Amino acid sequence: LAKTTQPISMDSYEGQEVNITCSHNNIATNDYITWYQQFPSQGPRFIIQGYKTKVTNEVASLFIPADRKSSTLSLPRVSLSDTAVYYCLVGDKGNAGNMLTFGGGTRLMVKP
Amino acid sequence: DVKVTQSSRYLVKRTGEKVFLECVQDMDHENMFWYRQDPGLGLRLIYFSYDVKMKEKGDIPEGYSVSREKKERFSLILESASTNQTSMYLCASSPSGARGTEAFFGQGTRLTVV
Repeated sequence: LAKTTQPISMDSYEGQEVNITCSHNNIATNDYITWYQQFPSQGPRFIIQGYKTKVTNEVASLFIPADRKSSTLSLPRVSLSDTAVYYCLVGDKGNAGNMLTFGGGTRLMVKP
Repeated sequence: DVKVTQSSRYLVKRTGEKVFLECVQDMDHENMFWYRQDPGLGLRLIYFSYDVKMKEKGDIPEGYSVSREKKERFSLILESASTNQTSMYLCASSPSGARGTEAFFGQGTRLTVV
């Protein structure tokens, strides 16, 4: 099971772009990279998923280099409401319990 | 909208009691999960189920069991509650296949064992 390493916390200011990097040196060929967001007193919410290169949706972009040993979640022009914990997950879609194993997450604080 | 509903938002139980946490999803998802979340420890997987009557242990199954008799319902059972099981419990579901990583979570049950 690929282990993920993320910064424990990050601070930013409103309007800035935030990049959160996740290391997953032991990622396997069949593993996908998934990011979730969790607000206080709520369950996590799926943000984005990718396998390689770049994926973009209305919320974020996900950058994955060719060796796939890391990934970067990019949040453009953050607002106060983006203050949350962000989790990086790595797993094989063919194994439900494997693909949804959470690590410690990164606590993002957006300041005015 | 997918809805994952947990039976209680807050629960207080006594040490040694048998505790049932219920979770129901309305999207016909194959996968269902139980996690607990504690400050500083993130979300830890207790059990997951990929089909009716099928289950797999997660990272911390000790002291817990699960039941999935119907596709939409996944129950977490604390056979004999202890104070170290005081925690936030989160249930989730996801479809099988290509979108299996897109899980939907319930609002959580904050369990206090006294």
